[in-house]
Amino acid sequence: GALVYQYPRRTICKSGTSMRMECQAVGFQATSVAWYRQSPQKTFELIALSTVNSAIKYEQNFTQEKFPISHPNLSFSSMTVLNAYLEDRGLYLCGAFGGNTLYFGAGTRLSVL
Amino acid sequence: AQSVTQPDARVTVSEGASLQLRCKYSYSGTPYLFWYVQYQRQGLQLLLKYYSGDPVVQGVNGFEAEFSKSDSSFHLRKASVHWSDSAVYFCAASITNAYKVIFGKGTHLHVLP
Repeated sequence: GALVYQYPRRTICKSGTSMRMECQAVGFQATSVAWYRQSPQKTFELIALSTVNSAIKYEQNFTQEKFPISHPNLSFSSMTVLNAYLEDRGLYLCGAFGGNTLYFGAGTRLSVL
Repeated sequence: AQSVTQPDARVTVSEGASLQLRCKYSYSGTPYLFWYVQYQRQGLQLLLKYYSGDPVVQGVNGFEAEFSKSDSSFHLRKASVHWSDSAVYFCAASITNAYKVIFGKGTHLHVLP
């Protein structure tokens, strides 16, 4: 079956520091990976869509300078939150596309002190 | 604009009762449609998906959903809920051959034992 592993599950960082989260697709080829952030109100914001061998498309209010993404092959993607502040808190979800279906990892919960 | 609407923020039912969670979409053409479930403090799990064909699709754990083009809906149903079904359920949609998935705001299901 299609599985997506995301790690770390939880992380705490000091305000102004950075943290990196990773996403691995197992059992299928993830040609595209979508990174989302879930707010405390449970709504999902699409941060960016990354497709192998194509430019990464960031949504409005999200930038490469703040959320750099690496997607070097069909099974792995990573995203860094640079200079994290309180407003960056939340659950970050990696979704990998297997065909037209989006499979999610368990998420990385980011807390900022 | 493309959108997914879940009109009920919270639904409470008794264990053993039947369930319907509503989802309406607004897309030109017929999108791919999904239902995901999020258990407390976890990631998203795919329940079922609709691409084409039979409008009633079966998912995991006894869930099914029915696509209606005339009503622009994709309601989720279950004949008899269990207390372990308590979770947040998200309806989602994407355009054919596109990789941008849009989520509804979720419906929090509370099953009374």
